[in-house]
Formats: sequence, structure tokens, C-alpha cells
Amino acid sequence: AQSVTQLGSHVSVSEGALVLLRCNYSSSVPPYLFWYVQYPNQGLQLLLKYTTGATLVKGINGFEAEFKKSETSFHLTKPSAHMSDAAEYFCAVTGGGGATNKLIFGTGTLLAVQP
Amino acid sequence: KAGVTQTPRYLIKTRGQQVTLSCSPISGHRSVSWYQQTPGQGLQFLFEYFSETQRNKGNFPGRFSGRQFSNSRSEMNVSTLELGDSALYLCASSLAPDSSFYEQYFGPGTRLTVT
Repeated sequence: AQSVTQLGSHVSVSEGALVLLRCNYSSSVPPYLFWYVQYPNQGLQLLLKYTTGATLVKGINGFEAEFKKSETSFHLTKPSAHMSDAAEYFCAVTGGGGATNKLIFGTGTLLAVQP
Repeated sequence: KAGVTQTPRYLIKTRGQQVTLSCSPISGHRSVSWYQQTPGQGLQFLFEYFSETQRNKGNFPGRFSGRQFSNSRSEMNVSTLELGDSALYLCASSLAPDSSFYEQYFGPGTRLTVT
């Protein structure tokens, strides 16, 4: 079975500070990993994904994540937080072998950005 | 290009009733997935459809059912509603059922309240 664990349900940073949202995964097969963002009263939007190849993945809005197999981690970072980054962030992993759209989500991290 | 459309956006039902939610994918997309989002359980996978066939089903009781039509539009039905079915139901569409290649685009969701 596959799962993801997001450490910290709430994270608060100051505008301009580093954003670090943590995600650890468990998978018996090579995982495909995703970060999604959800703004209030909206659906989810894909920030970035890791499938194979380069372990440092760059996404939209200045976010990036690094796949570390040895640490089973896929943490999301952004060098400088902006007020518009305030949202809920979800880490996800594909649900099993074979081609699928089934995603297993973490419990989410609510990011607050203080002026 | 229009995004994923979900109707209705808000719905209030009484325990014991049934409800049907609709999802219209992005034009050309043939894969549709459904998720339930609640504060307690987070985001949980419900169904995945491709070309009118259910490819995956999440761990939900038989009261939850779905289907996909030849135009790729999808519906999900919940019978004998319970208070615990109150949730945001999200639909996602993609070109094909392989999240490693094709981005899933999420709709804004249907907010179901069961009283």
C-alpha cells in the first residue's frame, strides 16, 4: 500500500521568508509524487510532480520539491513567500502499479503568510 | 478552454434521501475521477472512469455509485444519505488515466450538506 504523511497541519511564515512544507511517503513500488494547492472554495491545482529522472522538480509559482529516496521524502520549498501563497497544500502519491489517475493524498498543510 | 464543471455547486439534502452530482470534463478529456473531501478524513478517492468503464473504486460503501457517459460526462450518486456524507465532492479530468503523463484538472467541487 502507498501513503503520504505531511508533517505540520499548520505552517506560518512571514512574507519573504522561506517556505518549507514536509512530505514523507511510503511505497512498495517506485512512487510518482505530486504537490497540489487548494485556495478557499476552489478545487486543487497541480504545483509539480515527480515521476522519474531529475530529483529536483520545479513547479509553478516559484515552488520546487526534491525527491530523496534515502529519506523517503518529497518536501516542497519556495525561497520567498508571498501573501498570495496562503492556501492549503496537499502531497499525493499514485495509488498503485499500472497507469492510473487514483491519487492517495496526505492530510494537508495550511500555509499562512504574515505581512 | 473551459475548465471542469461541476453541478450543482451547493446542495442541501435530508438524511435518507439520495443525490446525484454531475461533472463535465474539459473538452477532449476522457478520464474522470471523483474524490470526497472532509475535515476529518481529508481527500479520499471514490472512483476513476475512462471510456465509460470504471477502472478503480475507493473504499466506500455501495451507497456510492457512479457512471460515465459516451460524451465523457460523469455522474455520481449517493443513496440513503447519512450525516457523514456531508463533504466537498471533487471531480478531476484528464486526457487519459495515467497521472504520470497527464495532468489532472480539478473542478471547484459540489458542497453537499446532509441534515
